[in-house]
Amino acid sequence: AQSVTQPDIHITVSEGASLELRCNYSYGATPYLFWYVQSPGQGLQLLLKYFSGDTLVQGIKGFEAEFKRSQSSFNLRKPSVHWSDAAEYFCAVEGNTPLVFGKGTRLSVIA
Amino acid sequence: KAGVTQTPRYLIKTRGQQVTLSCSPISGHRSVSWYQQTPGQGLQFLFEYFSETQRNKGNFPGRFSGRQFSNSRSEMNVSTLELGDSALYLCASDPALAGGSQTQYFGPGTRLLVL
Repeated sequence: AQSVTQPDIHITVSEGASLELRCNYSYGATPYLFWYVQSPGQGLQLLLKYFSGDTLVQGIKGFEAEFKRSQSSFNLRKPSVHWSDAAEYFCAVEGNTPLVFGKGTRLSVIA
Repeated sequence: KAGVTQTPRYLIKTRGQQVTLSCSPISGHRSVSWYQQTPGQGLQFLFEYFSETQRNKGNFPGRFSGRQFSNSRSEMNVSTLELGDSALYLCASDPALAGGSQTQYFGPGTRLLVL
């Protein structure tokens, strides 16, 4: 079965700074990869997904992620963070079993 | 299209009671999955239904059950509630057809508190 690790529990960035959230997965083949965002008290919103093809994936709200097979990674990036990006971010992987989520990375944005 | 809807949004129950949560998927989606989210365990898969059939089941005790109706609406039931069942229960629908999955779209969740 697949697994996913988000090494950073909490990250704080300044508004306007760049952001990179890390995600590493374990799976024998190429999995389906997802990033979701959750605001307090809300459900999960899909930011972007990777199934195949171009390894750089564009998502909503200015986010992008790059699939690197050699590193088993799918890191999420944003060039300039806005205060409204403060939330919890989840990486998820789907292989031969249903979606498996990482523990999440909480993003705080300071002025 | 309307998104995934879940009812009720908040629920308070006492130990030993049972509870039923409801989920209406996005129109046209036939796959519905349920997840439990807690601070300690994170997001854990409960089960998945497709066309009224349970397609996958997570590692939860038999107290957790679900079903799907012909209109794709789904319910999950938890019997003999325990304090540890307090969680946010999320429902997701998927437009994929039989034999596969595509992308899951989540509802706002039902927050269950067991006292």
